[in-house]
Amino acid sequence: QSLLTQPPSVSGAPGQRVTISCTGRSSNIGAGYDVYWYQQLPGTAPKLLIYGNSNRPSGVPDRFSGSKSGTSASLAVTGLQAEDEADYYCQSYDSSLSGYVFGTGTKVTVL
Amino acid sequence: QVQLQQWGAGLLKPSETLSLTCAVSGGSFNDYYWNWIRQPPGKGPEWIGEINHSGSTNFNPSLKSRVTISIDTSKNQFSLELGSVTAADTAVYYCARLVRGYLDLWGRGTLVTVSS
Repeated sequence: QSLLTQPPSVSGAPGQRVTISCTGRSSNIGAGYDVYWYQQLPGTAPKLLIYGNSNRPSGVPDRFSGSKSGTSASLAVTGLQAEDEADYYCQSYDSSLSGYVFGTGTKVTVL
Repeated sequence: QVQLQQWGAGLLKPSETLSLTCAVSGGSFNDYYWNWIRQPPGKGPEWIGEINHSGSTNFNPSLKSRVTISIDTSKNQFSLELGSVTAADTAVYYCARLVRGYLDLWGRGTLVTVSS
């Protein structure tokens, strides 16, 4: 059983808003550890999208936003664009693992 | 501009040892933890382990018995060895820099295939 669970897929039309959930446990998100989000385009390495639950690195559009509450976190993409079609992963630290864990991943499809 | 360049053998037979190296250029080497992550085909990333400039390491418990991560500060390089590989170890292997809990810089990845 995964330590961080995401929906396998979400989809939306251009311009719409989609959200991706990341459900964790008391040993990771619920323990207060920060959540990070990555975007992975086909054939490339994951790219940092959100750090510290809700902060965007320089260069990441403000269409991407993150939040965290309890044992879960969410990534929202507003004004969906064709270029947003990718796989998205959440990541955190887990005290039972004493290491870093990734979510199961969500494929975003732009209809 | 910091860059991570990685290399190593891409095709192994079962029971062999996987060996990859990652070179860091263009920035500080001593201020970070340097990580290895792998991603099996069609699956999500899996954290393998990390090392800092002092040689302090942490490993994923599921791989710890087979993993060695080493560092050469004179060359700004760090390396991964994974012993007794099986088909289940087939994946793209990435090196990456850890900053305050997240991975902000990644290598381009090396596809390692284990097949007899």
